Amino acid sequence: SQELEQSPQSLIVQEGKNLTINCTSSKTLYGLYWYKQKYGEGLIFLMMLQKGGEEKSHEKITAKLDEKKQQSSLHITASQPSHAGIYLCGADWGSGYALNFGKGTSLLVTP
Amino acid sequence: SQTIHQWPATLVQPVGSPLSLECTVEGTSNPNLYWYRQAAGRGLQLLFYSVGIGQISSEVPQNLSASRPQDRQFILSSKKLLLSDSGFYLCADGYTFGSGTRLTVV
Repeated sequence: SQELEQSPQSLIVQEGKNLTINCTSSKTLYGLYWYKQKYGEGLIFLMMLQKGGEEKSHEKITAKLDEKKQQSSLHITASQPSHAGIYLCGADWGSGYALNFGKGTSLLVTP
Repeated sequence: SQTIHQWPATLVQPVGSPLSLECTVEGTSNPNLYWYRQAAGRGLQLLFYSVGIGQISSEVPQNLSASRPQDRQFILSSKKLLLSDSGFYLCADGYTFGSGTRLTVV
């Protein structure tokens, strides 16, 4: 069974609208990483969350980690075409090595 | 901060041909290195990881192998490619990723 679920799988929003992407873990998170990916390109690191209740922002993107450290949300305010891409969350479950990834959320921002 | 270099960016190879993808790391020493494969709609799948020179762990049985001949070099190889080896291959050091190699096996 999938241990890291992302929702929605895809999202189409009109420019200027807000949106939220969720990432739910079946296990307690030691760290949660958010990435953005353009098609055919590498992953661009956005933010990393470690503490329960933590919230970080970068420009118009805000990410939160819930108190129980099993769910994270990524919120984009006033979306722009430049926000389009695939958003991936990566989980550190404390194994000491690789991140485990969700399947990603494909975001399209229409004019 | 570290930088991950991958090449080539794209590759089209016939079935049965060999493969060698290279990844090098700048800005850090003795990194843990990882090879992931990304197939459409399936997220990133960890293939191999290495904690040091000559130390390779495989996460899934497959037609591929990895080697780490130098501290900052990680190589993904195959002796005979299969159609199912097509995908986007990413090298990573912790949570920093390279720009990837898109492999199409024809």
